[in-house]
Amino acid sequence: DARVTQTPRHKVTEMGQEVTMRCQPILGHNTVFWYRQTMMQGLELLAYFRNRAPLDDSGMPKDRFSAEMPDATLATLKIQPSEPRDSAVYFCASGLGLSNQPQHFGDGTRLSIL
Amino acid sequence: AQTVTQSQPEMSVQEAETVTLSCTYDTSESDYYLFWYKQPPSRQMILVIRQEAYKQQNATENRFSVNFQKAAKSFSLKISDSQLGDAAMYFCAYRSVSGTASKLTFGTGTRLQVTL
Repeated sequence: DARVTQTPRHKVTEMGQEVTMRCQPILGHNTVFWYRQTMMQGLELLAYFRNRAPLDDSGMPKDRFSAEMPDATLATLKIQPSEPRDSAVYFCASGLGLSNQPQHFGDGTRLSIL
Repeated sequence: AQTVTQSQPEMSVQEAETVTLSCTYDTSESDYYLFWYKQPPSRQMILVIRQEAYKQQNATENRFSVNFQKAAKSFSLKISDSQLGDAAMYFCAYRSVSGTASKLTFGTGTRLQVTL
């Protein structure tokens, strides 16, 4: 089965450090989403891309977060500088860009900022 | 903006019994899609079932079925013959069909426990 691959699976680092999370969408999928899951806020959309172009990043703190798709097989989410409140599970999902098609999620990156 | 509400933070069901998880949503749109996702302790987000708002027939996937009440904006999930492997967090999600708004809006989730 095709899967969305996220790396790393876990990341622990000190505040102030740069964090980069990577996502390999399912081959052929043209939309990529980044979600953040916390106990307090639940699952919230940070950003998403269609055909590698950013469509909506309104959920993302712009001063420290950035999301890119350097090519169709790689999406990155970067935090610089990281803060303890960024601790969460970050999910990447990919899909075919049609509303009736489900998004397929990766296993997430559990990020802990000390 | 659309909102999704899951009013049951936790539910419990005995193995082989049936349980229903509630979900309501708020939208001004007439066409949209609804989904149920399951998140076991392994953290994966697994699609359970989906429903197109323009379809009157309730979706069914094996032991999972929905009760979609469009006028009431209700989308409950019924799990029949519950199994230990059904224990997980269940999230209801809404997806618009209009424009570029193809993101999912999630509810806060219901934790389902399955007991022997």
